[in-house]
Amino acid sequence: AQKVTQAQTEISVVEKEDVTLDCVYETRDTTYYLFWYKQPPSGELVFLIRRNSFDEQNEISGRYSWNFQKSTSSFNFTITASQVVDSAVYFCALMEYGNKLVFGAGTILRVKS
Amino acid sequence: EPEVTQTPSHQVTQMGQEVILRCVPISNHLYFYWYRQILGQKVEFLVSFYNNEISEKSEIFDDQFSVERPDGSNFTLKIRSTKLEDSAMYFCASGGASGSTDTQYFGPGTRLTVL
Repeated sequence: AQKVTQAQTEISVVEKEDVTLDCVYETRDTTYYLFWYKQPPSGELVFLIRRNSFDEQNEISGRYSWNFQKSTSSFNFTITASQVVDSAVYFCALMEYGNKLVFGAGTILRVKS
Repeated sequence: EPEVTQTPSHQVTQMGQEVILRCVPISNHLYFYWYRQILGQKVEFLVSFYNNEISEKSEIFDDQFSVERPDGSNFTLKIRSTKLEDSAMYFCASGGASGSTDTQYFGPGTRLTVL
């Protein structure tokens, strides 16, 4: 069975702080894909990043960075110098063979000015 | 930039009524999906659709649900006899321009309220 755990239900930070959102996954497959999606207050789901199981390189995109570690089955997401516009629910998701996404419960991020 | 669209944005219906939620996937995508999110909860997979047939469905997707691609652009989810517990945000997604494990892009959602 596949499972995605986002242990942090809610995080509050002050603008310009760095924040890391944790994601731990379980899978028996050797080939799988990991994703992060952002759900702003308007409700849509916005794709942020995709990683396949064979690519453990960390990635940076502007203020966003992702740390994928197969040894600990984690795919953590860091926002550097957070901004109020980063306030949203962030979902980590896993895709195995069969291509459905299994989502974690989400982490609510509140960035205060 | 191409995007998935969904209509209506909000649907209110009475229990027992049929509803049809509509989606226009990204034009060169081959795989289509419906997910739902009950308020405050995680996003859950309902069904995937490829080559004009269901490729996978979840336990939630029972006989009350059906999907259809009636023409070359629309993808619909029908709930035959709505229940109170069907109240949720329903997201359509599409992907797979180059394979089944492509990134899925989501529409803005339809909020279904069953009274």
